[in-house]
Amino acid sequence: GAVVSQHPSWVICKSGTSVKIECRSLDFQATTMFWYRQFPKQSLMLMATSNEGSKATYEQGVEKDKFLINHASLTLSTLTVTSAHPEDSSFYICSGWETENEQFFGPGTRLTVL
Amino acid sequence: GENVEQHPSTLSVQEGDSAVIKCTYSDSASNYFPWYKQELGKGPQLIIDIRSNVGEKKDQRIAVTLNKTAKHFSLHITETQPEDSAVYFCAAGGYQKVTFGTGTKLQVIP
Repeated sequence: GAVVSQHPSWVICKSGTSVKIECRSLDFQATTMFWYRQFPKQSLMLMATSNEGSKATYEQGVEKDKFLINHASLTLSTLTVTSAHPEDSSFYICSGWETENEQFFGPGTRLTVL
Repeated sequence: GENVEQHPSTLSVQEGDSAVIKCTYSDSASNYFPWYKQELGKGPQLIIDIRSNVGEKKDQRIAVTLNKTAKHFSLHITETQPEDSAVYFCAAGGYQKVTFGTGTKLQVIP
C-alpha cells in the first residue's frame, strides 16, 4: 500500500512554544490530506482537511488560529500547533487518499506539552 | 452527518478462536466501510474494506459483511493469533469523508 510519513514521531515542548508536524505522502500525490487528533483510548477525531494550494477546512470546535495548516505541495502538509498548552498534548495523525479507494494514515506524532 | 457505533469496546478471546466486531451507521448514503487496526503508538492500518455493492469480502483470516438494509457491518477474524491483539476501528462514509467508530480493543490470549 501507499506510504504516509510523519515527522517528528514524538516531540516534547514547553508551554507557550509552537510545534510543527510534517506529513508527507511518499509514493502518491495528495491534493487533500486530513489531520486527526486522538486522545488515549479514544477514537480518531477529524480536526481539519488540508487542501493543496488553498485554505484548510476546519471541523467545528477546532481553532484555526491555534492549529495552522499549510499544504504547500502535493506531497507535503504541515500542522503547526501555536502557543501550545498541556491540553494540546495528544497523538496527531495525518492521512491521504491514494486513490478513491483507499485512505492511508501516517504513523502519528506524539505531542507532549510541559 | 454520519454516526457510527461500534461494539464491543473490549474483546478477549483465546488464541485460535474467532472474534467478531460489529458496527452500525446512520447515513444511508454511505458507500465505503473500511476497517483499521491500530497498534499502540502507531497510526491506523487498513486491513480490509467493503463497498455498498458487495455483501461480503474475505481476505485470508479476515472477513467483513455488510447489511445495507439494516445499516450494519461486521469484522470477523478467524483463527486468532496473539499478533491480532490491537485496537480495531470501523468507519463509514465515502471518498474523503469517513466517520470512525469508537474502537474495539481485542486481546488474544495465548
